[in-house]
Amino acid sequence: AQSVTQPDIHITVSEGASLELRCNYSYGATPYLFWYVQSPGQGLQLLLKYFSGDTLVQGIKGFEAEFKRSQSSFNLRKPSVHWSDAAEYFCAAHPRETGANNLFFGTGTRLTVIP
Amino acid sequence: KAGVTQTPRYLIKTRGQQVTLSCSPISGHRSVSWYQQTPGQGLQFLFEYFSETQRNKGNFPGRFSGRQFSNSRSEMNVSTLELGDSALYLCASSLEGTTEAFFGQGTRLTVV
Repeated sequence: AQSVTQPDIHITVSEGASLELRCNYSYGATPYLFWYVQSPGQGLQLLLKYFSGDTLVQGIKGFEAEFKRSQSSFNLRKPSVHWSDAAEYFCAAHPRETGANNLFFGTGTRLTVIP
Repeated sequence: KAGVTQTPRYLIKTRGQQVTLSCSPISGHRSVSWYQQTPGQGLQFLFEYFSETQRNKGNFPGRFSGRQFSNSRSEMNVSTLELGDSALYLCASSLEGTTEAFFGQGTRLTVV
């Protein structure tokens, strides 16, 4: 079955430390991949997207993600976390074979940043 | 450029009532999708409208319906509300031919 998995429900990091949030997908063909961030009570903001080509994609707010086909992964990284990065992060996939706009989301990873 | 606007931001309804939520997409975006977000089920796709036609539908009961107007604004309706319908309902719009979705702030529905 098609799915997006975020194995970490909650991650705590110290401000200034590096961050990696994991995302794995299970699709017949590599889907379009996205990372979104959600602050409490807010909607989703797109951080970055992967369609094809370079496996390392840069996003907003200093985030980047690496696509690894062999591992069916699309992990989100940031070299140095800021307190304002505390939020919930969602990995999402859009199957290539459909013309409709239908995102499949992982269950999310809540990031806590400690001073 | 204005973002996706959802109204109202908060709603409290009683079981058995019906509710209508509204979404105004980004100007020029003709695709509007709706998602339900709950702590237990996460983010789930409800349906997508494009040019006033429902193009895709998620696995929700028929109590959940939607429509899109000629100006691309969309509404979703939930009839015979149940306690389990309490959720954050998110709307997203996309430009034709793209898959990048821009989300609104959501409508928080509480059913009591």
